[in-house]
Amino acid sequence: DGGITQSPKYLFRKEGQNVTLSCEQNLNHDAMYWYRQDPGQGLRLIYYSQIVNDFQKGDIAEGYSVSREKKESFPLTVTSAQKNPTAFYLCASSTPVTGVGETQYFGPGTRLLVL
Amino acid sequence: GQNIDQPTEMTATEGAIVQINCTYQTSGFNGLFWYQQHAGEAPTFLSYNVLDGLEEKGRFSSFLSRSKGYSYLLLKELQMKDSASYLCAVRDNYGQNFVFGPGTRLSVLP
Repeated sequence: DGGITQSPKYLFRKEGQNVTLSCEQNLNHDAMYWYRQDPGQGLRLIYYSQIVNDFQKGDIAEGYSVSREKKESFPLTVTSAQKNPTAFYLCASSTPVTGVGETQYFGPGTRLLVL
Repeated sequence: GQNIDQPTEMTATEGAIVQINCTYQTSGFNGLFWYQQHAGEAPTFLSYNVLDGLEEKGRFSSFLSRSKGYSYLLLKELQMKDSASYLCAVRDNYGQNFVFGPGTRLSVLP
């Protein structure tokens, strides 16, 4: 089955600690995205990548870092510089615009909590 | 700038019809998407419009007017399981990104 997997489902971070959220897709999509969602809010873009070895900052990139060494993988690191990291993190992927209307497909999400 | 607006909350009765509106101002347009999101879960794709008019998919329909920067999602024969948040998103001019609205939380009452 094709899809997007995220791990872990729940993640706990201690003060001053960096944590990495995993995102893997086997849909052969070029583009991958990371979003943050706070309770009762919409999705805010953290980082996106249109192609391997290239990525761009989204609206709220401060305190986060990413890498895109493989087409299938787009891990997100929440650094100690992110002072309010408690949120629901969603990874998504899509194909480039073809005129046919390709949507984004989302992973199940990781809920990050600060101890 | 990029701005997408939706009502924050709506309430409707089981079996009824509800219309969720979305207005947008974005740097470009390559399609408008509607997603459903149940609490604690990931969004799932519902509907897509790139041309003006109505797209129907079973109990769900979505309408688009590009000249007015306006879309709506129409849900018919509401069921209790339709209680969820509904997210409106626009794919921007270069097809690089999806810009999301704040979501509309729909409560379906018996």
